[in-house]
Amino acid sequence: SAVISQKPSRDICQRGTSLTIQCQVDSQVTMMFWYRQQPGQSLTLIATANQGSEATYESGFVIDKFPISRPNLTFSTLTVSNMSPEDSSIYLCSVVASSGVMNEQFFGPGTRLTVL
Amino acid sequence: GENVEQHPSTLSVQEGDSAVIKCTYSDSASNYFPWYKQELGKRPQLIIDIRSNVGEKKDQRIAVTLNKTAKHFSLHITETQPEDSAVYFCAAYTGGGNKLTFGTGTQLKVEL
Repeated sequence: SAVISQKPSRDICQRGTSLTIQCQVDSQVTMMFWYRQQPGQSLTLIATANQGSEATYESGFVIDKFPISRPNLTFSTLTVSNMSPEDSSIYLCSVVASSGVMNEQFFGPGTRLTVL
Repeated sequence: GENVEQHPSTLSVQEGDSAVIKCTYSDSASNYFPWYKQELGKRPQLIIDIRSNVGEKKDQRIAVTLNKTAKHFSLHITETQPEDSAVYFCAAYTGGGNKLTFGTGTQLKVEL
């Protein structure tokens, strides 16, 4: 499976500020996704990061709040904008490898965000 | 869109017993069903999956069954061990939506 890293691993931020999370994969991947996992909850898909075009957002998530970039097949960023305490969560990058078994999806280690 | 329900939300078993977690899905077009294990503070890890052309799949102590007609699938863990304690998530993949929809999770506790 692909090796996925995320930076930062955790951060504590003040409300009203923005944080950009990076996701780096060691090989080219067909699909990259961003998820949110609130404390004690399941995984909720924020958006699909599309290489070379705008991300595809799920219901309840908008580009102004969660801008996403994917400049190439191994890297993506998620920005959490104008943060409030409700944005405190774990944000996870996930990928489907180009060379892997169809549909198999793997997760990065996550970024634990606390907003004060 | 797809909706995945998962039961139970918590499950406590004695070491050596079996554990069963059940999920139902709503979209008959879903064709891939992975299970993830998430230990505290760690990322979800893919432990087993099944595709819609297969009724059962086994990997050592873990097995997954799929009933397409009833739209439900289950995870079976035999001879449970303390290291099996974790949160388990089922998910369903719909090709049309090109994404996974996750269940709500099951906290499994294996007691000595």
